[in-house]
Amino acid sequence: NAGVTQTPKFQVLKTGQSMTLQCAQDMNHEYMSWYRQDPGMGLRLIHYSVGAGITDQGEVPNGYNVSRSTTEDFPLRLLSAAPSQTSVYFCASSYSRPGGEKLFFGSGTQLSVL
Amino acid sequence: DAKTTQPTSMDCAEGRAANLPCNHSTISGNEYVYWYRQIHSQGPQYIIHGLKNNETNEMASLIITEDRKSSTLILPHATLRDTAVYYCIVRGVNSGGSNYKLTFGKGTLLTVNP
Repeated sequence: NAGVTQTPKFQVLKTGQSMTLQCAQDMNHEYMSWYRQDPGMGLRLIHYSVGAGITDQGEVPNGYNVSRSTTEDFPLRLLSAAPSQTSVYFCASSYSRPGGEKLFFGSGTQLSVL
Repeated sequence: DAKTTQPTSMDCAEGRAANLPCNHSTISGNEYVYWYRQIHSQGPQYIIHGLKNNETNEMASLIITEDRKSSTLILPHATLRDTAVYYCIVRGVNSGGSNYKLTFGKGTLLTVNP
């Protein structure tokens, strides 16, 4: 059981470039979400999904797109990277039933936009 | 969601109990208290959660006051590996018994000293 897997671990982009942060979970969790964490700050919710084909915006969605075509995968897309998107990104998943109080997090992707 | 207040930092001697306080005076009746921790550069890790009663698991104990306006996370025998930022979060669950939109504040940096 790998849990929540995020790739890549590190990425450097130039302003205006696009990229996709990958997130996969093998626990058959219905719920998945993306957070960003800036230095000295807590985590802020970007987008979330309650199941395949269903996504919604979190607290800071601008500049990010998501889709959920399978239960296992929830990629986060940056269409035109900006320096303000320099951050550490965490993906999380949980069940949609009792026992779903516990979020499982990936190890993070550290993104720098120059 | 109810707002929480935690000290910015705390110190604890290795082998002693670490008691981390959290105030949540505006908590409503259906909101749970969650504790997560984040060891440097890693994704957050679930510790424990509770509604009214005190809870204990293999990692920690959670003591919630009778009026539910505050709580304390207890690590009974702190080790150096417990050095981390500890987040206290108050949130309700959806009708399915799950939670996927937790809001993480700045938390308490617990430093366990040798």
